[in-house]
Amino acid sequence: EDKVVQSPLSLVVHEGDTVTLNCSYEVTNFRSLLWYKQEKKAPTFLFMLTSSGIEKKSGRLSSILDKKELFSILNITATQTGDSAIYLCASAGGNNRKLIWGLGTSLAVNP
Amino acid sequence: NAGVTQTPKFRVLKTGQSMTLLCAQDMNHEYMYWYRQDPGMGLRLIHYSVGEGTTAKGEVPDGYNVSRLKKQNFLLGLESAAPSQTSVYFCASSSTGTTPLYEQYFGPGTRLTVT
Repeated sequence: EDKVVQSPLSLVVHEGDTVTLNCSYEVTNFRSLLWYKQEKKAPTFLFMLTSSGIEKKSGRLSSILDKKELFSILNITATQTGDSAIYLCASAGGNNRKLIWGLGTSLAVNP
Repeated sequence: NAGVTQTPKFRVLKTGQSMTLLCAQDMNHEYMYWYRQDPGMGLRLIHYSVGEGTTAKGEVPDGYNVSRLKKQNFLLGLESAAPSQTSVYFCASSSTGTTPLYEQYFGPGTRLTVT
């Protein structure tokens, strides 16, 4: 059965800290891995990583994909209170366009 | 563009009542999805559609029905609401175009409470 597992489930840090969020996956015919940020509303897209693009960076956020060990990490440097959110990881496999979602990591950044 | 919109934003139902949630997208996307999100359970797919007139079951379809009569709209119906259907419902859509192929765009959500 396809699955995506995120860790930790929750995390509390202080402003300025660097955090690493983990996502492991077991997906048949893996196609891509996606990261989303969810504040008190709908998830918003952050990154997509595929076999041809295993590292992405946007400002203080970066993500890598390890295709051999079947995991991805999301790094956030110099965290700010605005980074407080649930970070969701999802994976796509096969041709059916459905995403397999992890349970998310709840990040709280304290001032 | 409005992107993905959902109607209503909030609703309170009594057990046994019925209702329909409307999702609309103006991005000409082929794929549309209905999810529910509960604390500690993540996003769970209820039903999805790969095109106008076509729907399929997700992982938690029981108690829900859907219809996709127009490409831009995806309706989620609850025929006889139960307290277990209290949740936040998200609609999403994705395209068949160029990369990112799998990115799903989400609506703002509907918070449903069944008493």
